[in-house]
Amino acid sequence: AQSVAQPEDQVNVAEGNPLTVKCTYSVSGNPYLFWYVQYPNRGLQFLLKYITGDNLVKGSYGFEAEFNKSQTSFHLKKPSALVSDSALFFCAVRDPGGRDNYGQNFVFGPGTRLSVLP
Amino acid sequence: DAGITQSPRYKITETGRQVTLMCHQTWSHSYMFWYRQDLGHGLRLIYYSAAADITDKGEVPDGYVVSRSKTENFPLTLESATRSQTSVYFCASSEKRARSNYGYTFGSGTRLTVV
Repeated sequence: AQSVAQPEDQVNVAEGNPLTVKCTYSVSGNPYLFWYVQYPNRGLQFLLKYITGDNLVKGSYGFEAEFNKSQTSFHLKKPSALVSDSALFFCAVRDPGGRDNYGQNFVFGPGTRLSVLP
Repeated sequence: DAGITQSPRYKITETGRQVTLMCHQTWSHSYMFWYRQDLGHGLRLIYYSAAADITDKGEVPDGYVVSRSKTENFPLTLESATRSQTSVYFCASSEKRARSNYGYTFGSGTRLTVV
């Protein structure tokens, strides 16, 4: 079965500095990988995804993520953080060839809270 | 979150009462899901539905009941609410495709407090 780890509960970064939110995964086949963001009192919003192709994926709000197959990682990055980027970030994985009982379900990581300090 | 709506946004109920959380989507997505979000646990799948009249248990189904008589609606019922069911509940939907690479679309959530 697939799994996702987000090793940091909290990431603090100063405004204007680069940020990284880490994600590692485990699947039996080639993964579909996703990042979602949750702003306060809101539902989760799709940020970006990796399916195939270029390992560097660009998404909304200036975020990007790099797929690294050898390290089974999909870290989220942004070159220059904004205070408004402060939110809860979830990494998710689906094994498209998986035969689990959850149909198309994703497996979500536990979430990482990003705080950007002014 | 346009296209998938949850109601109510906030609900306070007493232990032992039955309460139903509503979820409605306008995209005719085949798949719908209910998650609960708790500190320290992230998102946990309660139930999901692959189509109308097809539902299945997720990771934490105990104490919950779902139905899906119409494609667009997927209500979640707590038959006898307990304090441990205090949580934020999210409904989500996705298209049905073989080896779909589409993500989920989430509702805005329902914050349920059981007192």
